[in-house]
Amino acid sequence: SYELTQPPSVSVSPGQTASITCSGDKLGDKYACWYQQKPGQSPVLVIYQDSRRPSGIPERFSGSNSGNTATLTISGTQATDEADYYCQAWDSSTEVFGGGTKLTVL
Amino acid sequence: QVQLQESGPGLVKPSQTLSLTCTVSGGSISSGNYYWSWIRQPAGKGLEWVGHIYTSGSTNYNPSLKSRVTISLDTSKNQFSLKLSSVTAADTAVYYCARGSGLRGYSYGQFDYWGQGTLVTVSS
Repeated sequence: SYELTQPPSVSVSPGQTASITCSGDKLGDKYACWYQQKPGQSPVLVIYQDSRRPSGIPERFSGSNSGNTATLTISGTQATDEADYYCQAWDSSTEVFGGGTKLTVL
Repeated sequence: QVQLQESGPGLVKPSQTLSLTCTVSGGSISSGNYYWSWIRQPAGKGLEWVGHIYTSGSTNYNPSLKSRVTISLDTSKNQFSLKLSSVTAADTAVYYCARGSGLRGYSYGQFDYWGQGTLVTVSS
């Protein structure tokens, strides 16, 4: 079965750039999405089709996907960005989620 | 504005069948290129896709759950439902319904609308 691998945690200082990676076999050949989930809340789509932002998502969120790695980048990270982030892709008629990355804004 | 709302028992006994319904408002579940999905999350753990049903009625399920899962559409009520049979404590989780997008036979994922989630506990 297809697997997506994320680092368990990433730390960033306020105002700096945070990068969260998601690795999977030939992931660049698929569409990758990213979700933000804060404690006690439902996930929120922040990036779809590798690099597109839904309406209402701040411009500081961006995405890329090439080779075996998709990356979520948060520029000028704010305290409100502290959350769990999940990548997701479709493979062999199955939706697959990464294990999640806890972003800590120190 | 599309809204999704899960409903169903919060407690299910081991070996019984978990049944949940997602009521969709603000849009028809039988139109558009959408995958109506169930996703679950055990306490303190990550997201796990359970399965989905396309607007045409075709389904796909998580291979690890496939033998126990059925997802169906009720277009008259604008709802879709999940049945998970022979449950164990490992099925205890918050269950979300969500709307995904894609073409027939190819999903983009892209879950843009989610329900608030409902906690289902499997216990005697």
